[in-house]
Amino acid sequence: GIQVEQSPPDLILQEGANSTLRCNFSDSVNNLQWFHQNPWGQLINLFYIPSGTKQNGRLSATTVATERYSLLYISSSQTTDSGVYFCAGPPYNTDKLIFGTGTRLQVFP
Amino acid sequence: DTAVSQTPKYLVTQMGNDKSIKCEQNLGHDTMYWYKQDSKKFLKIMFSYNNKELIINETVPNRFSPKSPDKAHLNLHINSLELGDSAVYFCASSQDASGVNEQFFGPGTRLTVL
Repeated sequence: GIQVEQSPPDLILQEGANSTLRCNFSDSVNNLQWFHQNPWGQLINLFYIPSGTKQNGRLSATTVATERYSLLYISSSQTTDSGVYFCAGPPYNTDKLIFGTGTRLQVFP
Repeated sequence: DTAVSQTPKYLVTQMGNDKSIKCEQNLGHDTMYWYKQDSKKFLKIMFSYNNKELIINETVPNRFSPKSPDKAHLNLHINSLELGDSAVYFCASSQDASGVNEQFFGPGTRLTVL
């Protein structure tokens, strides 16, 4: 089955720093989502981005579907950005999301 | 207005008991899912239902039985609970089962089996 690799596994930042998280898929997927799991355990939808670039405030994402990877950019990080970031996508002909192993982000004041 | 809701939020129980988790979505979606997040934070699909019909069953033990009384609800019943069932269970929904639509997740139910 499809493997989803995320890097880095852990990231520690000071408030105000920028970061880039990467998600690689071993095979093509139907779509791609980025989630933030906050310290309370909620899974929050950040982006639905099968291809191209989207921006939402300090966050933006780019997916290059032909090369099977996606990037999540966080600018001017804040302590509330802390948590685990997951990417996920379904293989073709299915809707089951295959999740990456996540990037744990800690932002310190 | 909560889009995907689950009850209970926390569930602590003894080995061997039977328990249920309920999920409701008010998005008008046709497809609903159960995912399990283990202690290492790994998320994996368990089941999906499309319009009350089982579509995906990911080799989950038959102690787990999902039930969809209507397309807005998908419940998960677990028999004879084991220690290894301790996890966070997430319900999700999507417009349909085509795989091209966004999935939205509930707040999760943390199950602890003692």
